[in-house]
Amino acid sequence: DVKVTQSSRYLVKRTGEKVFLECVQDMDHENMFWYRQDPGLGLRLIYFSYDVKMKEKGDIPEGYSVSREKKERFSLILESASTNQTSMYLCASSLQGVITGELFFGEGSRLTVL
Amino acid sequence: TQLLEQSPQFLSIQEGENLTVYCNSSSVFSSLQWYRQEPGEGPVLLVTVVTGGEVKKLKRLTFQFGDARKDSSLHITAAQPGDTGLYLCADPGGTSYGKLTFGQGTILTVHP
Repeated sequence: DVKVTQSSRYLVKRTGEKVFLECVQDMDHENMFWYRQDPGLGLRLIYFSYDVKMKEKGDIPEGYSVSREKKERFSLILESASTNQTSMYLCASSLQGVITGELFFGEGSRLTVL
Repeated sequence: TQLLEQSPQFLSIQEGENLTVYCNSSSVFSSLQWYRQEPGEGPVLLVTVVTGGEVKKLKRLTFQFGDARKDSSLHITAAQPGDTGLYLCADPGGTSYGKLTFGQGTILTVHP
């Protein structure tokens, strides 16, 4: 069974802390994504990666960075968490070269910044 | 970035009723996907529509792509409590990187 696994389902952090959200996929997918989900706003793309060590900004990259050292792992980093980064974070992966390709999502990481 | 407008934002209905959810854009879609997200889970792909005027059926769900490829609808017949969830339309944008743009979603609650 194909799987995208996010390391933490729930996190509570304080303002100014550094936060790591990790995501691992076992499908040998080239593309990986980090989305943020907020009520009434749908899913908004933060960053994506189409190859190891490659990264591209999405629609809302400010305050975030990413790391992709291995094909199966894509990490989202909040260098200094702020309260407006309280949200649900979703990782996803897909096969490259398929324009209508399916995105496979993890279960999400709900982050609360106090 | 293409804007996708979904309506309604909320739907609360009784088991057995029919419903339709809409997804619209001012631009032409290259193709369109519909996802369902159940509470505590990530979104899961339901269908991809590609050709203008296309109709696809998935059990009690019927998906339609507008002739001009600027709108799509999802119709559920005889809704059941198991249909409860967030329904999202998404535009793949015509690239091979799989970078989707999502609508804001429709939250459907089906009461027994």
